[in-house]
Order: sequence, then structure tokens, then C-alpha cells
Amino acid sequence: AQSVSQHNHHVILSEAASLELGCNYSYGGTVNLFWYVQYPGQHLQLLLKYFSGDPLVKGIKGFEAEFIKSKFSFNLRKPSVQWSDTAEYFCAALWGSQGNLIFGKGTKLSVKP
Amino acid sequence: EAQVTQNPRYLITVTGKKLTVTCSQNMNHEYMSWYRQDPGLGLRQIYYSMNVEVTDKGDVPEGYKVSRKEKRNFPLILESPSPNQTSLYFCASSPGRVYEQYFGPGTRLTVT
Repeated sequence: AQSVSQHNHHVILSEAASLELGCNYSYGGTVNLFWYVQYPGQHLQLLLKYFSGDPLVKGIKGFEAEFIKSKFSFNLRKPSVQWSDTAEYFCAALWGSQGNLIFGKGTKLSVKP
Repeated sequence: EAQVTQNPRYLITVTGKKLTVTCSQNMNHEYMSWYRQDPGLGLRQIYYSMNVEVTDKGDVPEGYKVSRKEKRNFPLILESPSPNQTSLYFCASSPGRVYEQYFGPGTRLTVT
């Protein structure tokens, strides 16, 4: 079965620190990749997505992610986090022409002011 | 405003009492789905619908039913809720299967 792994359960950073959240997906051919964010008490919102083309994808709020096919990875990055980035972040993948969107278990990010 | 709405937002019920959580979208999306979110497990898909009258099981369909009689609505039905269905439920819609999904605000269900 297809799967998505997020390495960190909870990350705690100080403001202005750099962020990298890991995401690995299982092999399964063509894959579409997403990062969603869930702010406290809110619904999920799309941060960025990768379907094809440039493997470095830029999203909203200064986030970016890099698709590395050889490593089956799609890590999320931000050069300098803010307190308002405190949220839970979910990586998700969709393989081929069938099947469902599979989410990772999420990484909770806490940013200390 | 383009949105996905869910009702109710909070629900406490007892084991075995049938309930329906409604989901409606105003974006004319063809694809709709239901997820449950549990701590440490992330989001898991319950059911999805590619279009009107077309529904299919996701990863955790046991104990749930859905219907898609109209494009905009996709209710989730729990015929006989059990405590292990206590969870946070999200409805989502998108123009198609491979597109970004737009999520509703969530329904927190407690079954005692």
C-alpha cells in the first residue's frame, strides 16, 4: 500500500529560525505531492503542490518545497519562521490515475516568540 | 464566497443513535470526500465521490455511508455510531481527483 512518512512529530523553533520538515513517499510511479497547513482550530489549507516541472516549488507565506525523485522526498522549507507559523503541517501524495490522496501523520510546529 | 460548509460543527451523541453530518460546496466541484482526523494518525479518507451518484470507499469506510444525489451536497451518515467513531471529520471538495482539495471547517463528533 502507498504511504507518506513525516519524520518529525513535533518541532519547536524560535522565531527567525529556519525550518525544514521532512516528507517521504513510497514508490508508485507518477506522483502528485501536496503540503497542507492546519492552524489551531481551523481547517486545512493548501500551502503548495507539485505535479511536474521545476522540482523547487514555491507556495504561500514564504514556504517552498523541493521534490527529489531519487530520494522519494518532498521536504518543506522556510528560511525564517514567525510565531504565526505555529500550526500542524501535513504532507500528502496522490499516485497515478487511481487511488486516494494519502496524508502523512502530520508535524506539529511550535514557534516561540 | 467560495467555501465548503459542514453541519453541525460539534455533536455529542450516544452509541447507536443514527446521525448525519451534512457537507455542501458552492464551487461546482465534481470531486468530494470525507476524512477523519485522529491524533497521531493524520487524516484518513472515509469515502469519496467523483460525481453525482458515483461514490467509492476510501481507506476507513467501515461504519459509514454516504450519498451524492446532488453535485453540491455530500452527507456522511453514521447508521449506528460507536465510541471508536469519536473523531474530527472534514469534508473536502475539488474540481477533480488530482486537484487541490478545499476543506470544510470540520465537525467534532463525540460518541458516548
